[in-house]
Amino acid sequence: LAKTTQPISMDSYEGQEVNITCSHNNIATNDYITWYQQFPSQGPRFIIQGYKTKVTNEVASLFIPADRKSSTLSLPRVSLSDTAVYYCLVVDGRYSTLTFGKGTMLLVSP
Amino acid sequence: NAGVMQNPRHLVRRRGQEARLRCSPMKGHSHVYWYRQLPEEGLKFMVYLQKENIIDESGMPKERFSAEFPKEGPSILRIQQVVRGDSAAYFCASSPRDREAGELFFGEGSRLTVL
Repeated sequence: LAKTTQPISMDSYEGQEVNITCSHNNIATNDYITWYQQFPSQGPRFIIQGYKTKVTNEVASLFIPADRKSSTLSLPRVSLSDTAVYYCLVVDGRYSTLTFGKGTMLLVSP
Repeated sequence: NAGVMQNPRHLVRRRGQEARLRCSPMKGHSHVYWYRQLPEEGLKFMVYLQKENIIDESGMPKERFSAEFPKEGPSILRIQQVVRGDSAAYFCASSPRDREAGELFFGEGSRLTVL
């Protein structure tokens, strides 16, 4: 399993764009990059997933360079409700289980 | 379409008692996963089940813990003779048979407190 490294915490203000970078130097050919969001006292929620280049949905964008050794989750114009822990995962497409690290605690202030 | 339902949401047990946590997957989902989250830590995988089968239990403690997903009814995570170190949030997730790799649907969790 490819190990991921992401900042422990980040601070931002309402209305700013937040970029959380995750490194995964040992990513394998079958691996996807997946991000989850977890609010306090709730279960994680799938945000976005990609294999290469750029993926965008209604919540976030995911940027993956050609070498796939890192990825960046971009949250446009964050609000207070985006305060949460964000997990970067590398998922083997052949297997079902997910391995979570400690994630990045994003704190959005007024 | 109801999400993953877990109950109880909160459970208090004394040391030595048994804890049973239940998980009903989303409608149409046949795969269930259990994770444990200790305070201030990330989620740790415990077990992956399909109906009547344990597929991967590599994260389950060797003693006192067991899980099942019967043909009918919810999946159950059972902890016998609980100890204080079992206090944690236990999350269940489900997925359909054919799914995007990495996309699991989590419940709200069951918070176990061992006195």
